[in-house]
Amino acid sequence: TQLLEQSPQFLSIQEGENLTVYCNSSSVFSSLQWYRQEPGEGPVLLVTVVTGGEVKKLKRLTFQFGDARKDSSLHITAAQPGDTGLYLCAANTGGFKTIFGAGTRLFVKA
Amino acid sequence: KAGVTQTPRYLIKTRGQQVTLSCSPISGHRSVSWYQQTPGQGLQFLFEYFSETQRNKGNFPGRFSGRQFSNSRSEMNVSTLELGDSALYLCASSLIGTDAYEQYFGPGTRLTVT
Repeated sequence: TQLLEQSPQFLSIQEGENLTVYCNSSSVFSSLQWYRQEPGEGPVLLVTVVTGGEVKKLKRLTFQFGDARKDSSLHITAAQPGDTGLYLCAANTGGFKTIFGAGTRLFVKA
Repeated sequence: KAGVTQTPRYLIKTRGQQVTLSCSPISGHRSVSWYQQTPGQGLQFLFEYFSETQRNKGNFPGRFSGRQFSNSRSEMNVSTLELGDSALYLCASSLIGTDAYEQYFGPGTRLTVT
């Protein structure tokens, strides 16, 4: 069974702090996506990483795909209250099916 | 371009009843996937449709079914509702299919079974 393990599960930090969220698997994936979900809404796609070692930046968010394409990380610099939400990583397993990690719930206090 | 729409947004049903949820994908997207999200299990894949054909199905009982119409709109049905079916049901559309890896989600339908 292919699994995506996210850590930490919960994170509560002060505004201005930096943080890193991890997404790990024993499987190799052709691509991996990061989503953010706010309460009562569907997940919103943040980024897709495809190439091993790839780094993508989205304003204060930096995403990295591991060299072996088994893991990924999301780093947020100078977190703001607007970054609060559930961060999900997802990967396609082939056969038109996507699996999701359990998510990291981030709370940024003003 | 309009996003993925789901109706209804909220639904309360009684055990034993059945329910039908609707999803309209982004214009031009032909793949629609359905997910169940609960606090304990997270996002669980239900099934994926492309051009009116179900291409994959998750590990859910046969009470969960779906279909896709020629205009790519999709419906999912849950028969003989159980308390454990209470969840947020999310629909996601993709331009080609989940093999193309990027999905766009609707706001979800919050189903409560009493």
